[in-house]
Amino acid sequence: DTGVSQDPRHKITKRGQNVTFRCDPISEHNRLYWYRQTLGQGPEFLTYFQNEAQLEKSRLLSDRFSAERPKGSFSTLEIQRTEQGDSAMYLCASSFPPSTANTGELFFGEGSRLTVL
Amino acid sequence: SQQGEEDPQALSIQEGENATMNCSYKTSINNLQWYRQNSGRGLVHLILIRSNEREKHSGRLRVTLDTSKKSSSLLITASRAADTASYFCALRNTGFQKLVFGTGTRLLVSP
Repeated sequence: DTGVSQDPRHKITKRGQNVTFRCDPISEHNRLYWYRQTLGQGPEFLTYFQNEAQLEKSRLLSDRFSAERPKGSFSTLEIQRTEQGDSAMYLCASSFPPSTANTGELFFGEGSRLTVL
Repeated sequence: SQQGEEDPQALSIQEGENATMNCSYKTSINNLQWYRQNSGRGLVHLILIRSNEREKHSGRLRVTLDTSKKSSSLLITASRAADTASYFCALRNTGFQKLVFGTGTRLLVSP
């Protein structure tokens, strides 16, 4: 396994268009996370899955954002009717579920950079 | 807020010097992790310290945790130009749920 992969790495779109990002996690990991990061800031939590179940979604996430992980493997993050404020790096990470025996450290992909014109 | 606050926001040192970054937080944690991010790249896990630990070492990294003061520090000894990056603390709360990242320290190590 080569790690977490994200596609596309860069996306430029016009305001109002829809965009979709894909994340392929490390195959043994059943947790998958999405974060958003703007310039000079730390990653901001968006949502996470355990297998195919979406367990938490940030209140910062508007109804224009939706994430899926249909078979508990890859995940997609869709942004509808994009706005300039959506411009950011979208980071995907995967891990084993944290427990007393497992630290649950996150393994990140290289991110998908979105620019909304 | 569950987010960690890091200090300083930016740090500029010479090669060979030590770099210390601090992270303060407000919630109860299960563990605290440090990550590194090179410009425009994903984050890489560096080291983790559990709430019942006070100090851990990994190579040139030393992390401390003071749960009474709700603070942690990351020390990089004998820094190198290749250590230039942003460093983030991340909190895992006692419910083992999401990892919440701090605001980051941007480290510049000059040759």
